[in-house]
Amino acid sequence: QQPVQSPQAVILREGEDAVINCSSSKALYSVHWYRQKHGEAPVFLMILLKGGEQKGHEKISASFNEKKQQSSLYLTASQLSYSGTYFCGTEGSPDKLIFGTGTRLQVFP
Amino acid sequence: SAVISQKPSRDICQRGTSLTIQCQVDSQVTMMFWYRQQPGQSLTLIATANQGSEATYESGFVIDKFPISRPNLTFSTLTVSNMSPEDSSIYLCSVEALGGLGYGYTFGSGTRLTVV
Repeated sequence: QQPVQSPQAVILREGEDAVINCSSSKALYSVHWYRQKHGEAPVFLMILLKGGEQKGHEKISASFNEKKQQSSLYLTASQLSYSGTYFCGTEGSPDKLIFGTGTRLQVFP
Repeated sequence: SAVISQKPSRDICQRGTSLTIQCQVDSQVTMMFWYRQQPGQSLTLIATANQGSEATYESGFVIDKFPISRPNLTFSTLTVSNMSPEDSSIYLCSVEALGGLGYGYTFGSGTRLTVV
């Protein structure tokens, strides 16, 4: 079952914040987050392995609520370079990564 | 992390023909994954390829249509057989990044296939 992401699209001005949510109907082993720019392959951002875990990467951080089978990606003080499509990826078991529906993020000056 | 060379980068093919996509990894990996990304859509897992055994296909994908080879720990091919316009997509191979947990998956640059 494909994880569902919300919102489907976000438009921001530089410096604004955004939250992208990922929800799965299955129990999760881990949650990944990727960013894909147009015409390029997805690029790994971070992985969360434990329920309730939070991780940070510069101004991008994420949380994982294992019980609710949900994860959220937090983008703070957005930059133009943050534009792209964000995908969560979930592993119900190790070594089988299923991608979410995707969220298109556009950051304008 | 691992570096993947994927080719061809793009191709335009006639319906009814087949195309083989190659992925070469710069280090040995146990599993390689093949994904399809239709225009404007998310990535869909086609199959997982282990060296020395038959690939494991996801629901909706069959070996006759998408045969996969995995002759060694650094190389895999995906063939798209008897193509139709509905097969027009980007096909990507992927491996778990080296370094263990916490490094995610690395992707090849993709093959953009157009079937006419």
